[in-house]
Amino acid sequence: DGGITQSPKYLFRKEGQNVTLSCEQNLNHDAMYWYRQDPGQGLRLIYYSQIVNDFQKGDIAEGYSVSREKKESFPLTVTSAQKNPTAFYLCASSPRQGEGYTFGSGTRLTVV
Amino acid sequence: KQEVTQIPAALSVPEGENLVLNCSFTDSAIYNLQWFRQDPGKGLTSLLLIQSSQREQTSGRLNASLDKSSGRSTLYIAASQPGDSATYLCAVGSGAQKLVFGQGTRLTINP
Repeated sequence: DGGITQSPKYLFRKEGQNVTLSCEQNLNHDAMYWYRQDPGQGLRLIYYSQIVNDFQKGDIAEGYSVSREKKESFPLTVTSAQKNPTAFYLCASSPRQGEGYTFGSGTRLTVV
Repeated sequence: KQEVTQIPAALSVPEGENLVLNCSFTDSAIYNLQWFRQDPGKGLTSLLLIQSSQREQTSGRLNASLDKSSGRSTLYIAASQPGDSATYLCAVGSGAQKLVFGQGTRLTINP
C-alpha cells in the first residue's frame, strides 16, 4: 500500500546532540513537507521541498536542516541550535499544487 | 499572512446528534481546503478535500462546504458515533503548496 513512513516513532535527544528524523514516501509525490505540532499551537511548517535537490524554509526553520537527494526521501535534522525541540513532528507529501496532502504517523521527539 | 481559526476549540455531544464544526480564514486567495482527523498521538488522516472552484464535498456521514468569498468552511457530521471522537483540523492551501492549519476542534461523542 502506498503511504508515508516516519521513523522512529519515539526519539530521545540529549542536550547538544543532533538527531535525524526519517520520512519516506512511495506515493510518487513531488512535494514533501515537515511540520511541527505543539499543544495548543496547531501545526507549523518547518521546511518544504517541491522537487528533488531543492527545498525552502517554512515559518520556523531555525535550528533545523533538511535534504532532498531522492524523490522518496526527505529527512529532517534537528540540530543543537534548536533550543526547544520537544514536539511531535509530522511529515507530509502532495502530488502537485492543488492536490491534497498525505501525512505520516509522526515522530515524538523528547529532550532528556 | 493567511490565518485559520476553528471554533469551537472543544465540543462534547451525545451520540446520534448531528453537528457542525467551523473554520474561517483571512485570505480568500486559496486553491483548496482540506479537513483532517487526528487521534491522540497519531498522524493526520485526510477526510475531505475541497478545491477552490467547488462548494462542497461529501464522504459518507461527512459533508464539508466552502464559501471562499466569506472565508468560511463547515464540516457537518451526521448521526455522530463514539468512534468520531478525535481532533478535527482544517487546513487551507495558499501559496507554494503550503497548508496553513487551524488549531483544531477536539470532539467528544458521549455514548
